Amino acid sequence: EDKVVQSPLSLVVHEGDTVTLNCSYEVTNFRSLLWYKQEKKAPTFLFMLTSSGIEKKSGRLSSILDKKELFSILNITATQTGDSAVYLCAGPNAGNNRKLIWGLGTSLAVNP
Amino acid sequence: DAGITQSPRHKVTETGTPVTLRCHQTENHRYMYWYRQDPGHGLRLIHYSYGVKDTDKGEVSDGYSVSRSKTEDFLLTLESATSSQTSVYFCAISESPSDAGGPQHFGDGTRLSIL
Repeated sequence: EDKVVQSPLSLVVHEGDTVTLNCSYEVTNFRSLLWYKQEKKAPTFLFMLTSSGIEKKSGRLSSILDKKELFSILNITATQTGDSAVYLCAGPNAGNNRKLIWGLGTSLAVNP
Repeated sequence: DAGITQSPRHKVTETGTPVTLRCHQTENHRYMYWYRQDPGHGLRLIHYSYGVKDTDKGEVSDGYSVSRSKTEDFLLTLESATSSQTSVYFCAISESPSDAGGPQHFGDGTRLSIL
């Protein structure tokens, strides 16, 4: 059964720290992996990683995919209190690519 | 921001009553999804649609039905609400299947409480 596992479940850091969030994607046929940020409301899309693009970067956020190991990390450098959120990882269901399988998320708290 | 509107944003109702949640999009995207989000369970897919009148079940579809008579509207109905359906419900849209360059974009959610 396809599964997405995120670690750690929660993390508390101080402003300015660098954090690394992990996503393990156990699937029979890899297609893509997606990262989202969820603050108080809806998840917002951050990155999508595919076989043709194993690294994405946007400002202080970057993500790398290890396609062989089906593992991705999300790095946030020089964290700010506004980075406090739940970060979600998801991947298409191998049996039905119309559906996404979601991890439980990593809750990040950035203290001033 | 993706043009997705969910209504109502909040609702409190009693066990046994019917409830309909609406998702409206202005993006003309083919795929629409209904999720529920609960502590400890994350996002769980209830139903999704891949076109007008084309719908399929997700992992937690029992007790829910959906309809899509127009591209822009996707309705979620709880025929007889139960307390276990108290949750935050999110609608999402996507231009293409999840693995074809089309990430899902979410509405702001509906907080539903069933007493």
